[in-house]
Amino acid sequence: EAGVTQSPTHLIKTRGQQATLRCSPISGHTSVYWYQQALGLGLQFLLWYDEGEERNRGNFPPRFSGRQFPNYSSELNVNALELEDSALYLCASSRGIEDADTQYFGPGTRLTVL
Amino acid sequence: AQKVTQAQTEISVVEKEDVTLDCVYETRDTTYYLFWYKQPPSGELVFLIRRNSFDEQNEISGRYSWNFQKSTSSFNFTITASQVVDSAVYFCALSPDYKLSFGAGTTVTVRA
Repeated sequence: EAGVTQSPTHLIKTRGQQATLRCSPISGHTSVYWYQQALGLGLQFLLWYDEGEERNRGNFPPRFSGRQFPNYSSELNVNALELEDSALYLCASSRGIEDADTQYFGPGTRLTVL
Repeated sequence: AQKVTQAQTEISVVEKEDVTLDCVYETRDTTYYLFWYKQPPSGELVFLIRRNSFDEQNEISGRYSWNFQKSTSSFNFTITASQVVDSAVYFCALSPDYKLSFGAGTTVTVRA
């Protein structure tokens, strides 16, 4: 069974640009979660999508947004990039709301903002 | 609010030594889940174990064992006879619902 996949592996942008990160969940999983792992700040919850809807978001500004597609894959968009957005962005998936707590993670996308 | 504390920032051991990682948590929820994840240098978080708040049975899986004590809000993790491949950052996490709250992580270095 294929795990969670994320693309790209690395992304380099300049301040003010937009970044788009992609995630494909494990087959059969309908929930996708996004986390940010920034140096010194640890792993922080960003967004949760299930069945195409945003279920909840963490304490991040509105320029962090995303969506989930009918095939349950997801995109994370970060607008107006700032230097402090440089981080590893991890995507996780789970079977759905009933099993929302067992999350399996992808390898991450390392975003560097110059 | 949830909080997970991993007081040990870094642990360095020689191969075959045992390693115990401490995790203390805070939550007002009566039902919750506790997790341990491993993050090797590649960056991917690898799920190790999930325990719900009603199950205080300790668990052993190969060289890994977990000690959950609700009375002290602790969920400690022991690696027995450590190996170089165990070198990674280990995260303890808490989830009363959909969102994982992670500790700061403990970096384990196993030297040959």
